[in-house]
Amino acid sequence: DAGVTQSPTHLIKTRGQQVTLRCSPISGHKSVSWYQQVLGQGPQFIFQYYEKEERGRGNFPDRFSARQFPNYSSELNVNALLLGDSALYLCASSLVSLLGTGELFFGEGSRLTVL
Amino acid sequence: DQQVKQNSPSLSVQEGRISILNCDYTNSMFDYFLWYKKYPAEGPTFLISISSIKDKNEDGRFTVFLNKSAKHLSLHIVPSQPGDSAVYFCAASDNFNKFYFGSGTKLNVKP
Repeated sequence: DAGVTQSPTHLIKTRGQQVTLRCSPISGHKSVSWYQQVLGQGPQFIFQYYEKEERGRGNFPDRFSARQFPNYSSELNVNALLLGDSALYLCASSLVSLLGTGELFFGEGSRLTVL
Repeated sequence: DQQVKQNSPSLSVQEGRISILNCDYTNSMFDYFLWYKKYPAEGPTFLISISSIKDKNEDGRFTVFLNKSAKHLSLHIVPSQPGDSAVYFCAASDNFNKFYFGSGTKLNVKP
């Protein structure tokens, strides 16, 4: 079975540009979360989506937005890129139960470099 | 405001010995904890979890211990193998939807 897939794997942008990152969850997983990992730090929560609705948002500016599609895939958009947005962006999918999402299954990430 | 802390950035252990990775948290509402392993150029891989109703959970060579009064959890790997060399992250949640991660501990298992 395919795991979580993300695209693109690497990309370079300049300040002020916009970027869209894509994620396909594991088949059967209806929840998708996005995390940002800066070098030397742990992943930091950006968004969680379930059934196309935003269920959680981390402490990120409005330049960050996301959406989930009917097939449960997701996109993360970042506008007006800053140098500090350079990071590994991780997508994770999970099953959802009455208790919540349980463990997260991560993709390999999209490495964004902003020049 | 880092709610989950891994105070040891690195750990070196001889093959066959025990590796103990530590994690502290500040939010007493956290009730679900995860450990992940990450190799370079790969996404984090889930290892083991524990909920606050338990104080120990085992899976093969991996055991996680939770001390709620001390707000501390640890991951024990016995015996350690060179393939275990990676960065290990602990994560915690109070609502199963948003997870807070520590900054990671780089484990090096020497042959």
